[in-house]
Amino acid sequence: DAGVIQSPRHEVTEMGQEVTLRCKLISGHNSLFWYRQTMMRGLELLIYFNNNVPIDDSGMPEDRFSAKMPNASFSTLKIQPSEPRDSAVYFCASSFSPGDQPQHFGDGTRLSIL
Amino acid sequence: AQSVTQPDIHITVSEGASLELRCNYSYGATPYLFWYVQSPGQGLQLLLKYFSGDTLVQGIKGFEAEFKRSQSSFNLRKPSVHWSDAAEYFCAVFWMDSSYKLIFGSGTRLLVRP
Repeated sequence: DAGVIQSPRHEVTEMGQEVTLRCKLISGHNSLFWYRQTMMRGLELLIYFNNNVPIDDSGMPEDRFSAKMPNASFSTLKIQPSEPRDSAVYFCASSFSPGDQPQHFGDGTRLSIL
Repeated sequence: AQSVTQPDIHITVSEGASLELRCNYSYGATPYLFWYVQSPGQGLQLLLKYFSGDTLVQGIKGFEAEFKRSQSSFNLRKPSVHWSDAAEYFCAVFWMDSSYKLIFGSGTRLLVRP
């Protein structure tokens, strides 16, 4: 079975540009989580969805960040405009429900903002 | 506030030696406990998990962990380390309350001496 698929694996762009990260959930999973990993803050939850609805976005750093689930199997995380401090590895994970464990992680997108 | 502590930032062991990585958590409710491993440039791989029952759990790659409720700890062990075990290890804790958040420790980087 295919796991959580993230694209792109690497993204390098200049500050001010819009960045879109993509995530495909495991088939049948209804919950989607976006995490960010940095040296300073480690792994932190940004937002999670259940049945396409955002449940908790308290970890989203600021309004430049937005996340959507246009359908049950796909999610995007957008940063507009991007800043150098957004450079990090972004992971998404999915599960059957918010309480279902463990979450299944994608391989991450390494984002560098110049 | 819920927190997970991995007190060792780096650990160096010789190949063939035993290993113990420490993890402590706060908060009183019974948690779900996980250990993940991350190789450089890679995603998170689940090593093992504890939900309930036997407090000594076996995982992949010869790892095991023991849940000690009285000490709020979930330490990871391996009797004989291989060079391929060099990676970063993350302890994560999930509390089944309204937050549904998986909280990660800051990680321990394992270096293996030949």
